[in-house]
Amino acid sequence: GESVGLHLPTLSVQEGDNSIINCAYSNSASDYFIWYKQESGKGPQFIIDIRSNMDKRQGQRVTVLLNKTVKHLSLQIAATQPGDSAVYFCAENMRGSYIPTFGRGTSLIVHP
Amino acid sequence: NAGVMQNPRHLVRRRGQEARLRCSPMKGHSHVYWYRQLPEEGLKFMVYLQKENIIDESGMPKERFSAEFPKEGPSILRIQQVVRGDSAAYFCASSRPGTGNYGYTFGSGTRLTVV
Repeated sequence: GESVGLHLPTLSVQEGDNSIINCAYSNSASDYFIWYKQESGKGPQFIIDIRSNMDKRQGQRVTVLLNKTVKHLSLQIAATQPGDSAVYFCAENMRGSYIPTFGRGTSLIVHP
Repeated sequence: NAGVMQNPRHLVRRRGQEARLRCSPMKGHSHVYWYRQLPEEGLKFMVYLQKENIIDESGMPKERFSAEFPKEGPSILRIQQVVRGDSAAYFCASSRPGTGNYGYTFGSGTRLTVV
């Protein structure tokens, strides 16, 4: 399953499928990007980050892709599990700033 | 390590009352950041504090809102004369000096409801 930017705030997938969550960031001066996962009733939890000198970074079951040309960021989750159900936020950071700007978020619903 | 502790988890206030939200950073973290989250929206930055200093309050409303991080004790976000529009989840994050949001850890938030 795939979401398009922040205009489709809900993504529903079947357990075991791969998920792609997209994010269009706004500031070409941003040089650091983070994906957060927020489960219901909890605070955001760091998933993975990427700096602007990279275009891809992999973690455990997650991959972040960065396309600076079109200012686009995506989070790929392999073999999605029910425990992955949450709201996912991308955040961008301008060089020298300690304050990230958060996107609106995408709600991922994983059906068993 | 107990992580970032926020209390209360839920707070109900009547219009016109004061709300006090507390945040204890992780051990070793001396930088605190407050964010507000409206339903189905992202987190909006409010204020960045270090011990006894406000570093950046560009996201704080000009009236009724204040924040402090004293030398001893938790950081406090104070909202005076609350209105219904203040109803939101308020999150705090903390980090070590020099790491900024590379080392952010968020608390579980305080959900404020104004009735």
